[in-house]
Amino acid sequence: KAGVTQTPRYLIKTRGQQVTLSCSPISGHRSVSWYQQTPGQGLQFLFEYFSETQRNKGNFPGRFSGRQFSNSRSEMNVSTLELGDSALYLCASSLRGQSYEQYFGPGTRLTVT
Amino acid sequence: GESVGLHLPTLSVQEGDNSIINCAYSNSASDYFIWYKQESGKGPQFIIDIRSNMDKRQGQRVTVLLNKTVKHLSLQIAATQPGDSAVYFCAETGSFGNEKLTFGTGTRLTIIP
Repeated sequence: KAGVTQTPRYLIKTRGQQVTLSCSPISGHRSVSWYQQTPGQGLQFLFEYFSETQRNKGNFPGRFSGRQFSNSRSEMNVSTLELGDSALYLCASSLRGQSYEQYFGPGTRLTVT
Repeated sequence: GESVGLHLPTLSVQEGDNSIINCAYSNSASDYFIWYKQESGKGPQFIIDIRSNMDKRQGQRVTVLLNKTVKHLSLQIAATQPGDSAVYFCAETGSFGNEKLTFGTGTRLTIIP
């Protein structure tokens, strides 16, 4: 069974731009969660989508948004990029309501200059 | 707010010895705890989990202990191998079906050959 895939793996953007990251969950998984990982703040929950609806949200500004498609693939968008948005963005998928186990993708390394 | 923290940021262990990684949590309502392993360039990988109604759970070479009285979690790795070198995170979630994970800061485990 293929794991969680994330594209692109690396991205360099300029302050003020916007970016869209993509996540394809494990086949059959309908829940997709996004996390931001930085050396200073560690792993922080951004949001979770299930059945195309946002079910949980972390404490991030409105510049961070996401969506989920009918095939469970998810995208997250960050608008008006700031230097502090440089991070590894991780996506995790799971069988919501059936298992606690979340499977993480390799992440997208975003660098904002 | 709730937080999950670790006692030690780094740990070096001789190959073949046992290692213990500790974690403190502050949310007494936490229901489910997970240990993740993150190798360089990869996303976190599930190791083992434990529900709040248990105090010990064993896997292959790993054991998780939960002490709810002092809100402490530990991961024991037996007969460590070079492949165990990684950053280990504890995480918790409040209730079944809640996909939001709160992660600890992480401990870097280095296995000395």
